[in-house]
Amino acid sequence: NAGVTQTPKFRILKIGQSMTLQCTQDMNHNYMYWYRQDPGMGLKLIYYSVGAGITDKGEVPNGYNVSRSTTEDFPLRLELAAPSQTSVYFCASSPSLSRISLFFGSGTQLSVL
Amino acid sequence: AQTVTQSQPEMSVQEAETVTLSCTYDTSESDYYLFWYKQPPSRQMILVIRQEAYKQQNATENRFSVNFQKAAKSFSLKISDSQLGDAAMYFCAYRSAREGAQKLVFGQGTRLTINP
Repeated sequence: NAGVTQTPKFRILKIGQSMTLQCTQDMNHNYMYWYRQDPGMGLKLIYYSVGAGITDKGEVPNGYNVSRSTTEDFPLRLELAAPSQTSVYFCASSPSLSRISLFFGSGTQLSVL
Repeated sequence: AQTVTQSQPEMSVQEAETVTLSCTYDTSESDYYLFWYKQPPSRQMILVIRQEAYKQQNATENRFSVNFQKAAKSFSLKISDSQLGDAAMYFCAYRSAREGAQKLVFGQGTRLTINP
């Protein structure tokens, strides 16, 4: 039971570099999410997707891009990394029913120096 | 917009005792879901308990129970017989039941320490 898989687990970027955080789920969930968690804070929604080909902005989308070409994959792209993007990034997925909780990946610790 | 507030940044309890973590939320909706998540040092977000707003009965999962006060918009988590493995960050979260509104809104978290 893989669930939600995120790669990499850790990454250090230099200011201005770009990278893609990978997320894949094997539960055939329609809904997928990207959250960031700053130190000592709760999670904030970056982007979400309600199905393949459909994405929408969350609370803090600036500096990020996403795509959803398949049901399984929901990569998060950071362009021109900035120190403010130092955070732990969580991918999550959910079936269509609201009462069902989200299934989270184990997170990616990203530092931008 | 909905907001979730956890007013206790840190709590501590003696092993085997009971502790209550507080959570309040603000919403104009009548139908929604509330959750408590546990985040141990491993970073994994683990669902502890879930409450549906239309249910009057408080949810219970083994040693974990909630006190859901809909009118007061309060959703506290009680942990009975605390164990060392309960030490973690605990997050309260809100999710609208409205069609198309799927995101979770999180509180700031409460760090729970268990003293042996």
